[in-house]
Amino acid sequence: GENVEQHPSTLSVQEGDSAVIKCTYSDSASNYFPWYKQELGKGPQLIIDIRSNVGEKKDQRIAVTLNKTAKHFSLHITETQPEDSAVYFCAARHDRGSTLGRLYFGRGTQLTVWP
Amino acid sequence: GAGVSQSPRYKVAKRGQDVALRCDPISGHVSLFWYQQALGQGPEFLTYFQNEAQLDKSGLPSDRFFAERPEGSVSTLKIQRTQQEDSAVYLCASSLVEVRETQYFGPGTRLLVL
Repeated sequence: GENVEQHPSTLSVQEGDSAVIKCTYSDSASNYFPWYKQELGKGPQLIIDIRSNVGEKKDQRIAVTLNKTAKHFSLHITETQPEDSAVYFCAARHDRGSTLGRLYFGRGTQLTVWP
Repeated sequence: GAGVSQSPRYKVAKRGQDVALRCDPISGHVSLFWYQQALGQGPEFLTYFQNEAQLDKSGLPSDRFFAERPEGSVSTLKIQRTQQEDSAVYLCASSLVEVRETQYFGPGTRLLVL
């Protein structure tokens, strides 16, 4: 099955600085990579996603890059704000075979943005 | 509906009790997923429904876990004879039509087995 590894497990930045979270995956058949933000006591909320036919995607202060050859993808948050503080999860999914549709998650990154 | 809802939000059970966790997906969403999230971990897949059909239950950790979605809308995850290792947050997600679409998560049910 798919194995997703995520680093770092914790990340502290000053307000206004950038934050980068990196993930690797093992299954070359994976072709969809979402990022979720989870605040305390809430369910994961999708913040951005990328498909394997695209190398980069940006949405305001958030961007995701994908390197299919190296099997890694990264989340970039610029101009961080205290409200960005949360746990961020990367995930991978492939759309074929008996396990199609299921998301394989990393272990999460606790991001803290200090004012 | 506004989003995926789950109930109860918190459940405390004594070891050996049976529990039932409910998920109301977004109205009209065909696909429904259950995930288990242990403390400090990412969610792990349990099972998947398309309408009322359970197409993948390979993630269920034991035969004490059972899920159903009889009318293709609300789903119930049942855990029989709960054990301490079942303590976790149980998340439900739904997607509009097929498995390739975005999964939207509910707030989860936090289960504590004493």
